[in-house]
Amino acid sequence: DAKTTQPNSMESNEEEPVHLPCNHSTISGTDYIHWYRQLPSQGPEYVIHGLTSNVNNRMASLAIAEDRKSSTLILHRATLRDAAVYYCIPRFLYTNDMRFGAGTRLTVKP
Amino acid sequence: EAGVAQSPRYKIIEKRQSVAFWCNPISGHATLYWYQQILGQGPKLLIQFQNNGVVDDSQLPKDRFSAERLKGVDSTLKIQPAKLEDSAVYLCASSLESGIGGTRLYEQYFGPGTRLTVT
Repeated sequence: DAKTTQPNSMESNEEEPVHLPCNHSTISGTDYIHWYRQLPSQGPEYVIHGLTSNVNNRMASLAIAEDRKSSTLILHRATLRDAAVYYCIPRFLYTNDMRFGAGTRLTVKP
Repeated sequence: EAGVAQSPRYKIIEKRQSVAFWCNPISGHATLYWYQQILGQGPKLLIQFQNNGVVDDSQLPKDRFSAERLKGVDSTLKIQPAKLEDSAVYLCASSLESGIGGTRLYEQYFGPGTRLTVT
């Protein structure tokens, strides 16, 4: 299984962009990179995923390094509701096996 | 559409007692998962069902944990007897398919979890 390294915690100011990094240097060529987040007292929720190209959706953007050994989740304008633990998860193409690490706890200051 | 439902939301038991958790997945979702989340850690997969068959239970402590998914819909997870280290949040998730053998990746939808405290 690909291992991931994320900062334990990060802080951001409200309405500013946030860049959440993830290192996954042992990722294989068939692993997608998924991001989930977990709001307080809730189950995790899907944020975004990608393979090689950068991806955008209504929640966030995902920038994937050319060598795929790292990725960055970008929240363009953080809100107080974005305060959560963010998980970066390499996920093999053909399974639903998701191995969560400890994630990054994002604090958003007003 | 309705999300994944779990009950109870909270449970406190003494060690060596038994406990059961219930999960109702999103309608039409073939795959159901149970995760254990210990405080300060990410969720850990315990068992995965595809319809009513077990796909992966390699991380389920089978001496005390059991799970079933009758008729491929609702599922129950049981712990008997409970130990102090079982104190955790138990999360249920569902997805349309497992993705095994296919090229589609299906998002997992999580319920709110059941917080278990073993004293």
